[in-house]
Amino acid sequence: GAGVSQSPRYKVAKRGQDVALRCDPISGHVSLFWYQQALGQGPEFLTYFQNEAQLDKSGLPSDRFFAERPEGSVSTLKIQRTQQEDSAVYLCASSLRGGAPNTGELFFGEGSRLTVL
Amino acid sequence: GIQVEQSPPDLILQEGANSTLRCNFSDSVNNLQWFHQNPWGQLINLFYIPSGTKQNGRLSATTVATERYSLLYISSSQTTDSGVYFCGSSGSRLTFGEGTQLTVNP
Repeated sequence: GAGVSQSPRYKVAKRGQDVALRCDPISGHVSLFWYQQALGQGPEFLTYFQNEAQLDKSGLPSDRFFAERPEGSVSTLKIQRTQQEDSAVYLCASSLRGGAPNTGELFFGEGSRLTVL
Repeated sequence: GIQVEQSPPDLILQEGANSTLRCNFSDSVNNLQWFHQNPWGQLINLFYIPSGTKQNGRLSATTVATERYSLLYISSSQTTDSGVYFCGSSGSRLTFGEGTQLTVNP
């Protein structure tokens, strides 16, 4: 597609529910990133994929968070047994290049706003 | 990991004024980008500028990689420039500052 697409845009979950957030990157982009942005803060890194390989998941806050990109394009971020502190905007970004130290310019989607009640 | 410090945290301007936003980095600068977060939360790319100077209309940016900082200049500000400006830098992942909240009053 023309840009990074994320769905759903808004999600309200009851505490303890599982949620799945989808990211459709720009076609042909090798790198895909997930970020978490709390209100009034800058985005915080969660995880990074190069094609289908998850090369860095050091930012995932707990084992309740899981991300996959099985075919090297669409990615899903899953949060199990959601807690109130998981409420945030989840941003997905993609870039054309792969590989550290420089993956090039990142392009972000509109984000998925998760509210856990 | 790299630390990113943005200043000022808040900035209030009258329409037509000029401003300079700054990012300082604790380590070598790679992948340096400036973004404007629109009211709907999307991060809009302004500049990809690992080094040197770029200009786009009323906006320009300069990165001095050897001194670990970058500057974003906004000239003749407009109310539509309001919002949060973020810079980010690192290697395989972008690390962001806390942002500068810019308000441009008519």
